[in-house]
Amino acid sequence: DQQVKQNSPSLSVQEGRISILNCDYTNSMFDYFLWYKKYPAEGPTFLISISSIKDKNEDGRFTVFLNKSAKHLSLHIVPSQPGDSAVYFCAASVTGNQFYFGTGTSLTVIP
Amino acid sequence: GAVVSQHPSRVICKSGTSVKIECRSLDFQATTMFWYRQFPKQSLMLMATSNEGSKATYEQGVEKDKFLINHASLTLSTLTVTSAHPEDSSFYICSARASSGREQFFGPGTRLTVL
Repeated sequence: DQQVKQNSPSLSVQEGRISILNCDYTNSMFDYFLWYKKYPAEGPTFLISISSIKDKNEDGRFTVFLNKSAKHLSLHIVPSQPGDSAVYFCAASVTGNQFYFGTGTSLTVIP
Repeated sequence: GAVVSQHPSRVICKSGTSVKIECRSLDFQATTMFWYRQFPKQSLMLMATSNEGSKATYEQGVEKDKFLINHASLTLSTLTVTSAHPEDSSFYICSARASSGREQFFGPGTRLTVL
């Protein structure tokens, strides 16, 4: 049973525009969420996190929004850059233990 | 951020042989390390959780006798794939979590190909 879902396997965005990646989860006990970026043949790189006590966390061009009632989080990248092209995974956990990952969204930023 | 290394980055082996993959936290002590496996176009699947000095906890469906995990120190965990078969070919990724934090820091991964 997939507890974390990323329903869009791919996304293409023009350079300079906003990229919005979405993630849904089913377990209401999840209280900590992460976004990772992954290039081919490399391990994931931590991007940004958010705990359930917040609904927004911002770090430079990256902002994560959490809607607990909808069990939904999203990652906004603005402005998008070609170097942002990668696969993005969201992950969720209860109290920072085992993380459950989504299947990833492949982002392509078109120059 | 914290750095986690994995060695080797790629390995090709014959069916029936054993392969050891090392995961090291380079600038912090990792009380917990995780081993994941990723199949193409799929999410990372947790295989096992290891805590320093104790036995690893394996996820359902993961054979503990086939995937041997040793977390011998606060900076090193090893995964040994025993009697490897072609279906074990995959991308194996470790992550480490410091005792003080909640984030997991991932290694670069190891591409295993079993012929």
